Amino acid sequence: QVQLVQSGAELKEPGASVKVSCKPSGYIFTGYYMHWVRQAPGQGPEWLGRINPNSGATNYAQKFRGRVTMTRDTSITTEYMELSSLRSDDTAVYYCARSELRHDRWFDLWGQGTLVTVSS
Amino acid sequence: QSVLTQPPSVSGAPGQRVTISCTGSSSNIGAGYEVHWYQQLPGTAPKLLIYGNIHRPSGVPDRFSASKSGTSASLAITGLQAEDEADYYCQSYDNSLSGSVFGGGTKLTVL
Repeated sequence: QVQLVQSGAELKEPGASVKVSCKPSGYIFTGYYMHWVRQAPGQGPEWLGRINPNSGATNYAQKFRGRVTMTRDTSITTEYMELSSLRSDDTAVYYCARSELRHDRWFDLWGQGTLVTVSS
Repeated sequence: QSVLTQPPSVSGAPGQRVTISCTGSSSNIGAGYEVHWYQQLPGTAPKLLIYGNIHRPSGVPDRFSASKSGTSASLAITGLQAEDEADYYCQSYDNSLSGSVFGGGTKLTVL
């Protein structure tokens, strides 16, 4: 079955970091970029960045540069997004979503989402 | 504040036609970048509905169609059904931000 399975919900204090995982299955991992998108309660989605699973090269949204790190572990075909210096307005559902390497324009498969709550 | 602007809500009776607009600028839709649309049912992840301005992925009914002109795009849903009640988002690329951008979403209510 073609799917992206993400790690479970997280509760973090302000100033902490969170690391969310995303495990693809049912397709060739190296054929797709992995993007990370978040959605705050009642808001539209917001793009955080992407990683090339072959080279590990990353592109981050300007807003998150310096705070976000995207990595992958090819040995276990899992991708990660770490966000540091968390603030209350980072509370959101974080999704991984793939796009084909050959066009990288739309997201045709999304993970189920990981709720990250930032609260003291 | 989302880069792409959508109306917060639209509504229609079963069987009717509704449209949802998505307005951008010269750095995204107006620059020629494609627009894609997603449907998000309550409590679920967004699902690709339209890609490349006008194309439907396999399995999406032909009741859904879309168009693009200038700095705007539009999603049309004909023959409204109760199961179409969801949030709809547009997405494109922005060259000043160097990344993907989304609309704030439109909640469709089927009366």
